[in-house]
Amino acid sequence: AQKVTQAQTEISVVEKEDVTLDCVYETRDTTYYLFWYKQPPSGELVFLIRRNSFDEQNEISGRYSWNFQKSTSSFNFTITASQVVDSAVYFCALSEARNRDDKIIFGKGTRLHILP
Amino acid sequence: ETGVTQTPRHLVMGMTNKKSLKCEQHLGHNAMYWYKQSAKKPLELMFVYNFKEQTENNSVPSRFSPECPNSSHLFLHLHTLQPEDSALYLCASSQDGSGGEAFFGQGTRLTVV
Repeated sequence: AQKVTQAQTEISVVEKEDVTLDCVYETRDTTYYLFWYKQPPSGELVFLIRRNSFDEQNEISGRYSWNFQKSTSSFNFTITASQVVDSAVYFCALSEARNRDDKIIFGKGTRLHILP
Repeated sequence: ETGVTQTPRHLVMGMTNKKSLKCEQHLGHNAMYWYKQSAKKPLELMFVYNFKEQTENNSVPSRFSPECPNSSHLFLHLHTLQPEDSALYLCASSQDGSGGEAFFGQGTRLTVV
C-alpha cells in the first residue's frame, strides 16, 4: 500500500536559518512520482516540485532544494536562508504510475513557522 | 491566479440544507478532483473525474454527490451533512492520469451547524 509520512508536525525556526522538512514514503511500485506542495494561509496548494522514481538527482531551485534517496525511501525538502513568507504547511505526496487516475496520496503536512 | 477557481470560499450550512460547491479550471486539463482537508486527517481524495467520467469514488458517503458537466467544471452537491463534514474542500485539476502535477483551487471552507 502507498503511504507518505511526514513525522514533523510543526517546526519553528528563526528567519535566515536553514530548515529541512522530512518525507518518507512507502510504495510497492517501481515507477512512481513524488511531489511537494506548499499551502499558505490563503488555503490553496501550490505545486513546488515533482520527481519520478528514476531520477534521483537532487534538485535546487533558488533557496529550495530536494534530496531524493530511494535507498531510504525519503524525499526531503530544505529551505535555505528561510524567510517569513515561507511560513506555510508543506505537504509531501506520492502518486503511483500504474494508477491511471493520477491519484495522489498526501502526507499529513508539516506546519512551518518562520519567526522574524 | 491559480487557474482553478472555487466558489464559494466560505459556506455555513445547516444539516438539513442543500448546497453546492463549484470548481472551474481554465488550464485545459482533463482530470479534476475533489479533496477534503480536515484538522484531524491528511488530505483525503474524494472523487476523480477523467475526461468527464467519474473514475474514483473513495468510499465517500452519498450525502456528497459530484457532478462534472464538462472538463472545465466540477460541482460537489451537498445534502443532509453532519457537523463532522466541516472541513476545507479543495478542488484540483491535472492534465491527465500520467503523474503530472495537480493544480489546486483555494478551497471552500465548509462549516456544518
